[in-house]
Amino acid sequence: GAVVSQHPSWVICKSGTSVKIECRSLDFQATTMFWYRQFPKQSLMLMATSNEGSKATYEQGVEKDKFLINHASLTLSTLTVTSAHPEDSSFYICSAGSGGETQYFGPGTRLLVL
Amino acid sequence: GESVGLHLPTLSVQEGDNSIINCAYSNSASDYFIWYKQESGKGPQFIIDIRSNMDKRQGQRVTVLLNKTVKHLSLQIAATQPGDSAVYFCAESNRGSARQLTFGSGTQLTVLP
Repeated sequence: GAVVSQHPSWVICKSGTSVKIECRSLDFQATTMFWYRQFPKQSLMLMATSNEGSKATYEQGVEKDKFLINHASLTLSTLTVTSAHPEDSSFYICSAGSGGETQYFGPGTRLLVL
Repeated sequence: GESVGLHLPTLSVQEGDNSIINCAYSNSASDYFIWYKQESGKGPQFIIDIRSNMDKRQGQRVTVLLNKTVKHLSLQIAATQPGDSAVYFCAESNRGSARQLTFGSGTQLTVLP
C-alpha cells in the first residue's frame, strides 16, 4: 500500500517551453502533497505544499508563477514548470500524506532543459 | 533558520561491518524524525522513524538513536551489505510546521567488498 507515482520519469525540453509533472497517490487519498527539488549531490528542498482544493503554499524563494501547482483531487497533484530554463534542470520529487506524520515519496522526475 | 545537518558527507565501510550515520538538528520543536535511503535516480525510501518521546527504536538490521539533549540523531546499520550503498538522509518535522519535512544534507554510504 501507500504507493505514489510520478509521470513522466524523465523529460527533456527546449528552453522557454512549459513542462507538466504529475504526482498520483495510487491506493490512498492524499489530503496534502509536497513538491521537492533536488540538485545533484544535494539534499531535497521543499518547494511547496498543496492541499486538495486550495492554493499551494510556496517556500521562500520559490516563484509561484513559475512553478504552478494544482491539487484538483485527492489523488492527483501537478507541477508545471513554466518557461523552463536550463537552471530549472533538476530532479523533482513529490510526496503525499493523508493527514498524519508519514509522507510517501514518488520515484522522482528528471527534468533537463536544453 | 532552523536546519538539520549531517556530520559526515561520505562513509565507506567493509561489507559485514556495522555502519553509523550521524545527524544533528537544531529545531528544538521537532518531535518526529525519519531516516531515508535514496539510491541514484530514485525517490527517498523510508527506513525507520522515531518520535521525540523515545530515545531508541530498532528495525530489521537498523537502529535509530535520538539524543534530545544534544539534538543528535544516528542511524546504525548492522552487518552492512552492498545493497546498503546509497545516500542516507535524516529528516525532521513538527506539528507547528504542518508536518513539513526538513532534510539534512545527506551521507553517501559506500560498502566495500
